[in-house]
Amino acid sequence: EVQLVQSGAEVKKPGESLKISCKGSGYSFTSYWIGWVRQMPGKGLEWMGIIYPGDSDTRYSPSFQGQVTISADKSISTAYLQWSSLKASDTAMYYCARILSGWYFDYWGQGTLVTVSS
Amino acid sequence: EIVMTQSPATLSVSPGERATLSCRASQSVSSNLAWYQQKPGQAPRLLIYGASTRATGIPARFSGSGSGTEFTLTISSLQSEDFAVYYCQQYNNWPRDTFGGGTKVEIK
Repeated sequence: EVQLVQSGAEVKKPGESLKISCKGSGYSFTSYWIGWVRQMPGKGLEWMGIIYPGDSDTRYSPSFQGQVTISADKSISTAYLQWSSLKASDTAMYYCARILSGWYFDYWGQGTLVTVSS
Repeated sequence: EIVMTQSPATLSVSPGERATLSCRASQSVSSNLAWYQQKPGQAPRLLIYGASTRATGIPARFSGSGSGTEFTLTISSLQSEDFAVYYCQQYNNWPRDTFGGGTKVEIK
C-alpha cells in the first residue's frame, strides 16, 4: 500500500527555521516525483515545488522560489520542505503528494499544519 | 501562465440530484486535467485524470469530460459523502500555478 506520512504539527515564531518531512512507503521512492502543496487557512491549493528523489532534481513554482528549500534523502525514503526564516504568512497546511508520470498527484500525505505566531 | 477558473464557487444540491462543476483554462491544456475532492480536515483525493479517466476506487457516479479549455466534472447522484470542495488541476504546462480556486458542493 502506497503511503506518505508527514511529520507532526509545528508552532513556531517569526524568524525561526523549520524542516518538515514526508516519508514514503509501499512503492519505489526513487522512481516518482514528490510535490509539496500549500493550503492557507480557508483557501485553495497552491503547488510549491517538486523533487525527484532518484537524483534530487528539484523545481520550484516561481511563487515559492527562494522562499523554501525542497530536498530528499533517498536512503530513508523521505522528502523535506524547509524554511530558513519563517513569517506569519507561512501559516498553512502543507501537503506532500506523489506525482505520476502525467504530472498529477495520485497519493497525498495527511498534511502538516505549520503555525507561525509571535 | 495558465489560469484555471472554476465555477460556480458554491453549488447547493440536494442528495440524489446531479451536480455539474465547471473548470475553464485560459489557454488549451489538451486533456491534461485532473479533479480532486477535499473533505474538511482531510487531504485532497484524486478523482479524475486525463480529463475523463477515473482514478482507482472512484465510484462510477463521478465522471469527467472536456478537452482544450472547457472541462466538466459531473456527479450523477449526490451521496452524503460527496459534499466537499472540488479542485481542478492542469498539468499541461508546468511549473506554473496549476490549480483552480475550487467549487464547494454543499447540501441544499
